[in-house]
Amino acid sequence: NAGVTQTPKFRILKIGQSMTLQCTQDMNHNYMYWYRQDPGMGLKLIYYSVGAGITDKGEVPNGYNVSRSTTEDFPLRLELAAPSQTSVYFCASSEGGELFFGEGSRLTVL
Amino acid sequence: GEDVEQSLFLSVREGDSSVINCTYTDSSSTYLYWYKQEPGAGLQLLTYIFSNMDMKQDQRLTVLLNKKDKHLSLRIADTQTGDSAIYFCAEISFSGTYKYIFGTGTRLKVLA
Repeated sequence: NAGVTQTPKFRILKIGQSMTLQCTQDMNHNYMYWYRQDPGMGLKLIYYSVGAGITDKGEVPNGYNVSRSTTEDFPLRLELAAPSQTSVYFCASSEGGELFFGEGSRLTVL
Repeated sequence: GEDVEQSLFLSVREGDSSVINCTYTDSSSTYLYWYKQEPGAGLQLLTYIFSNMDMKQDQRLTVLLNKKDKHLSLRIADTQTGDSAIYFCAEISFSGTYKYIFGTGTRLKVLA
């Protein structure tokens, strides 16, 4: 019973590098979300998707991109990493009730 | 705009009751949630309350909802050291998609 799986768990990037955070869910959920968590700031929504092929911006989308080619996968791409993107990133999915979270990906940009 | 507010820290002694408070702004929220985050882990659903309820009890947990004041609270009876975690209040609303708005989280520290 995997639920929501994120990789990698930890990553250190240099300024200007690019990377993709992977997220996959096996619950056949239509709704998927990417959040970032900064200390004392709660969770901020980066991007969300209501189904395969449909994505939209959340509160803090700048510097990120997403795609949703399948129901299961919702990768988050950072094109030009900046120190302000140092954070813990959470992927989540739902069908409108409980929101299921992955374990998180801790990203440090130096 | 929508906003969910919580105090950042709470410290209690083992065996005491903990009360974590939350205020929200979206009166159309159908459900209100409490999530628990242990160190280094993702958020897990602790309990929830439907918006037409005033109270929900689930073992050591009691959720109180005051819709008039848009105030939600989580009471943990007989708090244990294993309850030390960050607790997030969240509301859900629907506007083309399901939007979950989270509070800042309350870090609960249980002293032995």
